[in-house]
Amino acid sequence: QSALTQPASVSGSPGQSIAISCTGTSSDVGSYNLVSWYQQHPGKAPRLMIYEGSKRPSGVSDRFSASKSGNTASLTISGLQAEDEADYYCCSYAGSNTWVFGGGTKLTVL
Amino acid sequence: EVQVVESGGGLVQPGGSLRLSCAASGFTVSSNFMSWVRQAPGRGLEWVSVIHSGGSTYYADSVKGRFTISRHNSENTLYLQMNSLRAEDTAVYYCARHTTVSYYYGLDVWGQGTTVTVSS
Repeated sequence: QSALTQPASVSGSPGQSIAISCTGTSSDVGSYNLVSWYQQHPGKAPRLMIYEGSKRPSGVSDRFSASKSGNTASLTISGLQAEDEADYYCCSYAGSNTWVFGGGTKLTVL
Repeated sequence: EVQVVESGGGLVQPGGSLRLSCAASGFTVSSNFMSWVRQAPGRGLEWVSVIHSGGSTYYADSVKGRFTISRHNSENTLYLQMNSLRAEDTAVYYCARHTTVSYYYGLDVWGQGTTVTVSS
């Protein structure tokens, strides 16, 4: 149950696009299309942004998209806005009724 | 409104016990998969435990044998009994509901968390 690997930080200017990677193994990310992504502002609870690999819950902007290739999943945020500045976490089903999160990525909007 | 509210956190000595509660409203706990997720100070999220709608329970290796997840159906409440607590269990503990479309897709309802501090 090792944590998925995410970059510690990414940054971008308003209007730009950024991508956050999430690397796991063939036992988690690579085996299932069950990666979810969460946004967390300081002192707040996480918010589901992407589920089942690439689907957006109602109310989440279509500026957020996600994909997967092999053992690596990616979250892309286009048209960066100031309110996107937050921590982002990926999470994958890891089999045997367990889940594993990534270490988190701090997004800074310059 | 669909929501969950955690309670029960506090300061406990190493080796001690604590029981966390998660009161749900707007949906039925026993009809869903429910998880506990924790976040140590300045650290990332860590999945802790899940209880299936059928009652099966599963745990992260880091808490197996020490923590017990359960629910009280009539009170629509989820619990986490934490025994043999260690300093590394210090964290904000979140209760979360798994998506109802499929329980494996993600966690769509989160509480604000309750803080557990293990220290002498």
